[in-house]
Amino acid sequence: DGGITQSPKYLFRKEGQNVTLSCEQNLNHDAMYWYRQDPGQGLRLIYYSQIVNDFQKGDIAEGYSVSREKKESFPLTVTSAQKNPTAFYLCASSSGTGTPNTEAFFGQGTRLTVV
Amino acid sequence: AQSVTQPDIHITVSEGASLELRCNYSYGATPYLFWYVQSPGQGLQLLLKYFSGDTLVQGIKGFEAEFKRSQSSFNLRKPSVHWSDAAEYFCAVGAFRNKLVFGAGTILRVKS
Repeated sequence: DGGITQSPKYLFRKEGQNVTLSCEQNLNHDAMYWYRQDPGQGLRLIYYSQIVNDFQKGDIAEGYSVSREKKESFPLTVTSAQKNPTAFYLCASSSGTGTPNTEAFFGQGTRLTVV
Repeated sequence: AQSVTQPDIHITVSEGASLELRCNYSYGATPYLFWYVQSPGQGLQLLLKYFSGDTLVQGIKGFEAEFKRSQSSFNLRKPSVHWSDAAEYFCAVGAFRNKLVFGAGTILRVKS
């Protein structure tokens, strides 16, 4: 089945550690996105990528990093510079790269908790 | 800049009653509008979308939404709510490069 796979589902991080969240898609989509979800705030865009080896900062990129070495993969690293990383992280992909008229498909999310 | 407002944080309806979730957007050009639903601890699923044409759009699970340009609104409706509809609902507007700008969400509770 085509879709987006995020792993792990739950992740625990100690203070000062970097952690990497995985996102893989087999939909052959060009565009991929990372969103952060906090209660009562909706989803906020962290990073997005329209094509391999290229990505742009979203609204809340500080303390995060990404790479896009393969079309199918868009991992997100939460660095120690992110002061409040506890949140639900959602990865998405879409086929369009121009006009915003294509839907985004979402993974099942990763819940990150700082311990 | 684009923005989406969902005025209701929580809504409780009785099973079988009708439902309307409100969404107002701010966007300079023709908006591309979406409604997504999220069950607890899960990803988002697309309910419906509006790009152009008929302002009343039908979606999955018996949902519909009406685009009203004069009111900058895209409210979601369902004639008869089922207990399985309890979830969080997000309205979103499509922005340049297919980015989505989301509202804060509305949590729907269904009482039997």
